[in-house]
Amino acid sequence: DAKTTQPNSMESNEEEPVHLPCNHSTISGTDYIHWYRQLPSQGPEYVIHGLTSNVNNRMASLAIAEDRKSSTLILHRATLRDAAVYYCILRDRGSGNTGKLIFGQGTTLQVKP
Amino acid sequence: NAGVMQNPRHLVRRRGQEARLRCSPMKGHSHVYWYRQLPEEGLKFMVYLQKENIIDESGMPKERFSAEFPKEGPSILRIQQVVRGDSAAYFCASSLLARLGRDGYNEQFFGPGTRLTVL
Repeated sequence: DAKTTQPNSMESNEEEPVHLPCNHSTISGTDYIHWYRQLPSQGPEYVIHGLTSNVNNRMASLAIAEDRKSSTLILHRATLRDAAVYYCILRDRGSGNTGKLIFGQGTTLQVKP
Repeated sequence: NAGVMQNPRHLVRRRGQEARLRCSPMKGHSHVYWYRQLPEEGLKFMVYLQKENIIDESGMPKERFSAEFPKEGPSILRIQQVVRGDSAAYFCASSLLARLGRDGYNEQFFGPGTRLTVL
């Protein structure tokens, strides 16, 4: 599975935008970029995913570089509830993939009031 | 539609005892994944099961750990003769599909976890 690299931690002020970067220089053509987050003392939850084009949903936006070697998760207005560990995960759509998620260390986001 | 349920939420065992962790997937989901999160570490995949079958157990420790997902009832992760190093949070996830759909979507829904403490 292709590897992702994320900063260990980031800080943000409440109600300001947050850009969480992820590098995945060895991404393959069949890899989708998925983001999950884990709030304190909870299981992870899905945030967003994309392949090539930028994506928006009610939780966040995902900006994908043209060469697909990096991506950025954007929280438009961080709230205290967004404090979590954010994981960038590559998921292969190929038939050999069993669907397991390979978590890296993720980025711990702190949101200051 | 209830989410993924795990019980117990907290489990305390003494060294050498057995631990049984249960996971009920979301309704209609037949794919179950178990992950372990050691203290101050990230989540690690352990095993992937479909009904009555183990599909991928590449993350399972070779000894003392087993998992099942019977035709009826929850999935069970069983740890025999627990040791202090087994203390961790164990998360179960379920999904509707085996692989990504055409749009790349296949969300895994996670339970709240079972926190195992081995004394």
